[in-house]
Amino acid sequence: GENVEQHPSTLSVQEGDSAVIKCTYSDSASNYFPWYKQELGKRPQLIIDIRSNVGEKKDQRIAVTLNKTAKHFSLHITETQPEDSAVYFCAASPVSDDKIIFGKGTRLHILP
Amino acid sequence: EADIYQTPRYLVIGTGKKITLECSQTMGHDKMYWYQQDPGMELHLIHYSYGVNSTEKGDLSSESTVSRIRTEHFPLTLESARPSHTSQYLCASSESGGTSGNTIYFGEGSWLTVV
Repeated sequence: GENVEQHPSTLSVQEGDSAVIKCTYSDSASNYFPWYKQELGKRPQLIIDIRSNVGEKKDQRIAVTLNKTAKHFSLHITETQPEDSAVYFCAASPVSDDKIIFGKGTRLHILP
Repeated sequence: EADIYQTPRYLVIGTGKKITLECSQTMGHDKMYWYQQDPGMELHLIHYSYGVNSTEKGDLSSESTVSRIRTEHFPLTLESARPSHTSQYLCASSESGGTSGNTIYFGEGSWLTVV
């Protein structure tokens, strides 16, 4: 079955700098890769997703890149702000099994 | 507004008690899920359902049970609660069909403390 590895587990960046979180997946049949943000005490919420027919997708300060050959995808946050502090989860969904597999999460701290 | 509703949101119960966590969604989704999550930690899938009368166990062994008698309702039951069951339980749903994966939407969670 699918396995998703996420790195780093914890990331601290200075406010205004960029943050990058990386994930790898094992099942080449996976073709849907969402990213979720979970603020303290809140539910995980979808912030951006990418499908395997594109290599990059942007939404304001957030971007996701996908390398299908290498089976890895990354979340990029530019000009980080205090409200970006949260736990971020990547995920992958194989076509053959609609169950989404989540990474273990990255705790992002934005330092003042 | 379409959403996923969980009750109770917070609950403290004694060891050995039976508890049912309710989950209802007005998203019109066929698929529903239960995840267990300690604060800010990994999401563990404990049960899922692809439709009425369909239930499957997830990746994390759980002593809970679920039922899916109605499309919009997916309750989770603990027959005999133990302190090790103390955690947050997140209900979720997604659309069925399609060939390129489905977005999962989460409820606000039920925080369970067993004393």
